[in-house]
Amino acid sequence: NAGVTQTPKFQVLKTGQSMTLQCAQDMNHNSMYWYRQDPGMGLRLIYYSASEGTTDKGEVPNGYNVSRLNKREFSLRLESAAPSQTSVYFCASSGRDSPLNEQFFGPGTRLTVL
Amino acid sequence: KQEVTQIPAALSVPEGENLVLNCSFTDSAIYNLQWFRQDPGKGLTSLLLIQSSQREQTSGRLNASLDKSSGRSTLYIAASQPGDSATYLCAVRGYSGAGSYQLTFGKGTKLSVIP
Repeated sequence: NAGVTQTPKFQVLKTGQSMTLQCAQDMNHNSMYWYRQDPGMGLRLIYYSASEGTTDKGEVPNGYNVSRLNKREFSLRLESAAPSQTSVYFCASSGRDSPLNEQFFGPGTRLTVL
Repeated sequence: KQEVTQIPAALSVPEGENLVLNCSFTDSAIYNLQWFRQDPGKGLTSLLLIQSSQREQTSGRLNASLDKSSGRSTLYIAASQPGDSATYLCAVRGYSGAGSYQLTFGKGTKLSVIP
């Protein structure tokens, strides 16, 4: 049982390049989330998917798109990377998007945009 | 908008000391509060989850309390060890509309336990 996995672990991009961050969970969870973590700031929600087939914006969605490929996988795409998107990206999942469920986090992707 | 504050931002203690980490939040309409541990370069590990109807939760040497009405939580670590060195994050779960319940995080307290 690997929990939440993310690929890649590290990535360096040039401004304007695109890339997709991958996330998968093997806990049969319905809800999945993407966060970013910046120095001196708390984690901020980018997008989430309460259930397969649905996605919604979080606090900081600009410059990102997401795809809930199936129940296990939730990807985050940067269409045209900007230096302001340099950050650590975390994927999380929970049984349901309900008040009672814990969120479980992946190990993160460290992205640098030059 | 919910805001979560953690004090202190950093803390250094000698091994064996008992210590308290503080978390405060501005909107008391929360469903639960979660304490996480984050090691350098790693993801978040959930330590304790306290539902809004609960006053405290315990796991081993960790005890977390919640005073929802005053907007405060504390994480108590007994007999600290060097392996406890990490950043501790507090997050509250609130209703964010359209049937969704989101976590709002504090910036964390970086703990160093000196052997």
